[in-house]
Order: sequence, then C-alpha cells, then structure tokens
Amino acid sequence: DTAVSQTPKYLVTQMGNDKSIKCEQNLGHDTMYWYKQDSKKFLKIMFSYNNKELIINETVPNRFSPKSPDKAHLNLHINSLELGDSAVYFCASSQGLGGTTDTQYFGPGTRLTVL
Amino acid sequence: QKEVEQDPGPLSVPEGAIVSLNCTYSNSAFQYFMWYRQYSRKGPELLMYTYSSGNKEDGRFTAQVDKSSKYISLFIRDSQPSDSATYLCAMTTDSWGKLQFGAGTQVVVTP
Repeated sequence: DTAVSQTPKYLVTQMGNDKSIKCEQNLGHDTMYWYKQDSKKFLKIMFSYNNKELIINETVPNRFSPKSPDKAHLNLHINSLELGDSAVYFCASSQGLGGTTDTQYFGPGTRLTVL
Repeated sequence: QKEVEQDPGPLSVPEGAIVSLNCTYSNSAFQYFMWYRQYSRKGPELLMYTYSSGNKEDGRFTAQVDKSSKYISLFIRDSQPSDSATYLCAMTTDSWGKLQFGAGTQVVVTP
C-alpha cells in the first residue's frame, strides 16, 4: 500500500491555465506538507497543515492555494500557471509537527511542465 | 547566500569506496539535522537525523555534526551501486516542520 500518494504523476499544461494536484496519506498522520523542487533539485517548503489547520505558509504567490478537506488529504490548486511554476511538487506527511525527530514521509512527486 | 550550502556534484566513486558528503550552514539557530536520500524520479526518504554535535552511526552510514563550525557530514562505507542517488541535507530550528534543505549532492557508485 502506498503511504503518501499524489495524482497526477505528470501534468503538462499551457500558461494561464488552472490546475490541481491531489495528495492522500494512509498513515494516520496529523500533518501534511507541500514542497516544490526546482530543476536544480532544490527542495523548498511551501505549506503545511496540521489537523486541517494551516501551520506553515511560506512566501509563495497567492496563485497557489492549498486545501485540506480532511486530515488525510491535502490538495494544491494553482491559478494562472506561469513558466516558472514548472517543477516537481512533493507532498509529505508526518505524525506530529515534523520538525525534530518526527519523520516526514514524501510522496512520489508530481512533475508539472508549463508550456 | 543560501542558509544551507551543499555541493551538487556529481560525485563518482568506485564500488566499495567511502562516500563523503557535507553541508555548511549559516544559521546558528539550526538545532536538528537530517540526511535524506532521493532516487531518480522518487520522493526523498529520511536516512538519518541527529540533534547534537558528534557522530551517529547506522549500519554503513555515519552522520557527523560540528555545530561550532556549522558543518555536517554523511559518510557511506563500503558503497554499493544501489547507493547511487541524490543525498540532501536538511535542518530546522524548531518543532514546526520547516526544514531547510541543501541543494543535494548526486552520488554515482560505479561497479
């Protein structure tokens, strides 16, 4: 069974479109995250939710909007896509707040290409 | 200047050699340090974590932290081709899950 799953795996779209990426975890964790990994492999946190409450909200364009319908799901909606949004987006989850010895488990990633 | 610096490599070593990876950081408030391994087209997975200066060993892996020099290292003994991956260091100041990652070092272990 996949612990953290994301859909879709690949997403190719035109500039200006709106798209969503979905994430689900079956680990019973309380906290979920979205990360962006750019072409140079640099991984940067975007958001985190703990029990459906927004905990971390990094400086990202407000075209990005996370939504957590329940503890097991965290979706990412992106409006008006731009070329610079092309990246791999990773979802992750952790039992607690994930900062210290609380392991973050990553999904397989969604490779977004904006043309 | 990034808070966490890591040489992107690639680092190519023959099978059986010791792989030595390191990161430097500028924020002295970082208290917790982790190493993640990421295979191509996969998500990162946690290898090791530590929160104090000194060494921590787990099988073929040794993590080392020197807070006075703001320097962390990961050593892989008896490297195998299956160790070929990108290794990312990560660190945080607090319990809120806000990890700062290095850029990752690509390691290639040749048979």
